Amino acid sequence: GDSVTQMEGPVTLSEEAFLTINCTYTATGYPSLFWYVQYPGEGLQLLLKATKADDKGSNKGFEATYRKETTSFHLEKGSVQVSDSAVYFCALSEGGTGNQFYFGTGTSLTVIP
Amino acid sequence: GAGVSQSPSNKVTEKGKDVELRCDPISGHTALYWYRQSLGQGLEFLIYFQGNSAPDKSGLPSDRFSAERTGGSVSTLTIQRTQQEDSAVYLCASSSGSGRETQYFGPGTRLLVL
Repeated sequence: GDSVTQMEGPVTLSEEAFLTINCTYTATGYPSLFWYVQYPGEGLQLLLKATKADDKGSNKGFEATYRKETTSFHLEKGSVQVSDSAVYFCALSEGGTGNQFYFGTGTSLTVIP
Repeated sequence: GAGVSQSPSNKVTEKGKDVELRCDPISGHTALYWYRQSLGQGLEFLIYFQGNSAPDKSGLPSDRFSAERTGGSVSTLTIQRTQQEDSAVYLCASSSGSGRETQYFGPGTRLLVL
């Protein structure tokens, strides 16, 4: 069945460091891929998405490229800020009948000044 | 409304009591999801509604959990005879179509069972 695997946290970085959070997926078809972010005390919100192979989603300095050959959608940011401290969830969706939305377990990021 | 709303925002109940959690999805969204997020954990899928189709209940953890969606809009998640392990944040999300469309999440209901 479909699934998402993302790197375990917690991740702690200094401000302005480079961030990578790995995400790989297993899917039977051609899913859409998402990164969601959950800031402390808040609900989840969409960070970025990509709907087909080689697409790059980007938002707020974050980006992720849909790599079909490696079934990956790694999240990157060149220079993190304290305000990026949050939990990041990778997800995929194939559509179709029934629930087809699958989330990873989340990666907690703390950025220290 | 502008986004998904949930009520109550916090609920404290005693073990053995029933609770109802409400979700108002974004107007026009046909798909509605319920998830559970325990402290420090990821998202646990509970149930999925899509239009007039039969809901996907495959994630409900026990028969104490049930959910309804009236008129294709508001949804209520009911937990009967609550247990302490039911304590968690219950999140609702809606989307404009099936599957591939972006899910928009509500702020959640924080449930504490004493």
